Amino acid sequence: KQEVTQIPAALSVPEGENLVLNCSFTDSAIYNLQWFRQDPGKGLTSLLLIQSSQREQTSGRLNASLDKSSGRSTLYIAASQPGDSATYLCAVSRYGGSQGNLIFGKGTKLSVKP
Amino acid sequence: ETGVTQTPRHLVMGMTNKKSLKCEQHLGHNAMYWYKQSAKKPLELMFVYSLEERVENNSVPSRFSPECPNSSHLFLHLHTLQPEDSALYLCASSQFGNEQFFGPGTRLTVL
Repeated sequence: KQEVTQIPAALSVPEGENLVLNCSFTDSAIYNLQWFRQDPGKGLTSLLLIQSSQREQTSGRLNASLDKSSGRSTLYIAASQPGDSATYLCAVSRYGGSQGNLIFGKGTKLSVKP
Repeated sequence: ETGVTQTPRHLVMGMTNKKSLKCEQHLGHNAMYWYKQSAKKPLELMFVYSLEERVENNSVPSRFSPECPNSSHLFLHLHTLQPEDSALYLCASSQFGNEQFFGPGTRLTVL
């Protein structure tokens, strides 16, 4: 059974710092991995999608990497800003008929202080 | 309207009530999803519809009944819920197997 773990559960950093959020998964047979952000009481905003054949994806100050063999992904945020404060969620989907079945981690709650 | 919309945004219901949650996607996707988000637990997939056919049902109690009349609309019919069903219910859509886009959610409270 696929399990997704995100470490740390919470992180507080000063504005301007570069930071890394970690995601690990137990079954390497994934179809893709997706990073989301969630603001309190709100829905999820998709940040980056990495297909299983890819090693990384970049969008603005965000860079996500994927190492399928070790079951790990990292989300790198450059020059953090107070507006980046949110919970960041990692989710994986598997090969086969249930490619739409995303398995989520519990998230990392990020606080960026001015 | 753009993206994925959900109504109502907030719902309070008694255990004997019947209510429905509505989701609409304006992205031309062929798959729609219901998720449940409870405090202290990871997001849980409830149902998946691909081309209006249910392809996944993650052992959800029968008091939750989904309906997908077409590729743009998804409903979740609720009846005789329990207080532990109080949660944020999120709808998402995608081209099946690809990037999922989420709505803002319905905050449900069962008294």
